[in-house]
Amino acid sequence: AQSVTQLDSHVSVSEGTPVLLRCNYSSSYSPSLFWYVQHPNKGLQLLLKYTSAATLVKGINGFEAEFKKSETSFHLTKPSAHMSDAAEYFCVVRDNYGQNFVFGPGTRLSVLP
Amino acid sequence: KAGVTQTPRYLIKTRGQQVTLSCSPISGHRSVSWYQQTPGQGLQFLFEYFSETQRNKGNFPGRFSGRQFSNSRSEMNVSTLELGDSALYLCASSSGQGVIDTQYFGPGTRLTVL
Repeated sequence: AQSVTQLDSHVSVSEGTPVLLRCNYSSSYSPSLFWYVQHPNKGLQLLLKYTSAATLVKGINGFEAEFKKSETSFHLTKPSAHMSDAAEYFCVVRDNYGQNFVFGPGTRLSVLP
Repeated sequence: KAGVTQTPRYLIKTRGQQVTLSCSPISGHRSVSWYQQTPGQGLQFLFEYFSETQRNKGNFPGRFSGRQFSNSRSEMNVSTLELGDSALYLCASSSGQGVIDTQYFGPGTRLTVL
């Protein structure tokens, strides 16, 4: 069965500094991995997805994530945080033989001026 | 393409009542999934419908049910509402097939049970 661990429930960074949101997954088969962002009282927006084409995935708003099979990780990064990045971020796994999307518990990102 | 739409956006009900939420997926998508989001439990999967059939189901009581119509629109029903059912209910649509299937979410319906 798949599972997702987001190691930090809350991350706080200063505007203009790098962002690192950590995600580790467990999957029996080759997975698809996703990062979604949720701003307050809004639905979830897809940031990026990994589907085995390339290990470094670029998404919207300057975010990117690297798939590391040996570490079963899919950490989300951004070189320079912006105030508008403050939101909840969810890592999601779906194995390519299963059908369910499994969500991590989320990481709340705060950006300080 | 229009995105996923959910109606109504906000709903206030009292305990014991029932409620029906609606979701219209992206055109061409055949899969609709429902999630419940609460501060304490996070995002929890309710069920998924694909081509009018329930394909997957989460661990929720039978008070939570759903259906999907031939145009892929889906409804979710909660009967005998409890205070703990207060939550943001999110609908996601996808093609439902293939290894690069991706879910796209609607804005959610905020249900408050008094």
